[in-house]
Amino acid sequence: IQLTQSPSSLSASVGDRVTITCRASQGIRSYLAWYQQKPGKAPKLLIYAASTLQSGVPSRFSGSGSGTDFTLTISSLQPEDFATYYCQQLNSYPYTFGQGTKLEIK
Amino acid sequence: QLQLQESGPGLVKPSETLSLTCTVSGGSISSSGYYWGWLRQPPGKGLEWIGTIYYTGSTYYNPSLKSRVTISVDTSKNQFSLKLSSVTAADTAVYYCARHIYYGSENDVFDIWGQGTMVTVSS
Repeated sequence: IQLTQSPSSLSASVGDRVTITCRASQGIRSYLAWYQQKPGKAPKLLIYAASTLQSGVPSRFSGSGSGTDFTLTISSLQPEDFATYYCQQLNSYPYTFGQGTKLEIK
Repeated sequence: QLQLQESGPGLVKPSETLSLTCTVSGGSISSSGYYWGWLRQPPGKGLEWIGTIYYTGSTYYNPSLKSRVTISVDTSKNQFSLKLSSVTAADTAVYYCARHIYYGSENDVFDIWGQGTMVTVSS
């Protein structure tokens, strides 16, 4: 299953609302997770089951969608949110990731 | 809290076998519902799932690597390991181990990751 994220990169300012999209090549129900990765660090789980916020993750992060179209929204960007974001499908093996969306400071 | 730590050589010669171990601390590798996975990320590129193992020894591999990958578990040491044979420069990557929550439901996810270890394939 191929996952296509858009955009591949994004420039935004602190306080902006940002939306990242992940599209699956076939239906994956709600078997989708979102991760945040900062340079030199391991990915950090943000959201699973498409819309369930992982414990400890700020509420400005939210996820939605099912089937083939999913979104990750950050309601008000904070300085620590500038990173690369990946979606991952866990509907079927082999698990696959999107190519990533790099969120940069404008 | 649960922590995972990868260990192993940082440099492997082409055609040889890459071997890594992940040590789990702060919890049991034999806990029900928790599987254990290996993933990797080539420099500047995206993430790739390599495979997953349950403490009973059941394994699931990425078909793109299946002919070269072996994942095993040692419950007495609370460790699981990765072997990747016949490596080439294309296998140069940061290798991560992670806890894989698997219930066969939408709640499946890799929730806790090790810090990662860089492995370079070069002569």
